[in-house]
Amino acid sequence: DAGITQSPRHKVTETGTPVTLRCHQTENHRYMYWYRQDPGHGLRLIHYSYGVKDTDKGEVSDGYSVSRSKTEDFLLTLESATSSQTSVYFCATGAGGLREQFFGPGTRLTVL
Amino acid sequence: QQPVQSPQAVILREGEDAVINCSSSKALYSVHWYRQKHGEAPVFLMILLKGGEQKGHEKISASFNEKKQQSSLYLTASQLSYSGTYFCGTEATGGYQKVTFGIGTKLQVIP
Repeated sequence: DAGITQSPRHKVTETGTPVTLRCHQTENHRYMYWYRQDPGHGLRLIHYSYGVKDTDKGEVSDGYSVSRSKTEDFLLTLESATSSQTSVYFCATGAGGLREQFFGPGTRLTVL
Repeated sequence: QQPVQSPQAVILREGEDAVINCSSSKALYSVHWYRQKHGEAPVFLMILLKGGEQKGHEKISASFNEKKQQSSLYLTASQLSYSGTYFCGTEATGGYQKVTFGIGTKLQVIP
């Protein structure tokens, strides 16, 4: 399994506060992704990165920003958390050629 | 736009077969299949690339009809361990490894 960790694993925060989720990988994979998972919606792509400092929006990017200053780290920031952002967030990585994605364990975020 | 999966849920008895379908409105380069067990992360099953090849993984196989932008996942002689939610993910032609997932199909295998 790819070495992918997410931190924190659980977080409860209040509406209006900034939140940063971290994804760390030890596999030197080029591609990294942030998804959110909600009942009835499956996995939805928020942002993804195809290299250091190279990022692009996914289908539900409003209210989220990302940064990738190193190959191993991909940060997801909620500038001002809202209750609609309560979700389980998964990070994934991909080496590229094989196109397979490896998922991290997920972060459960609750915005009160 | 998310691909459409059907059925949304299915219950099988051990040993029975099932088919899960996935369709997209976009021209596709690849289709991915993942399985997620409750409380865990999704796990890769297989990928089908443009070219219509059929791939297999134990008793789970899949096909990809690129003309119809459709893929099907075949589970034969189901086992209890097959229970979980199955997601198809599609990568559009020129999609640069950006995968869009469907809402999933919940599969439950009972004794």
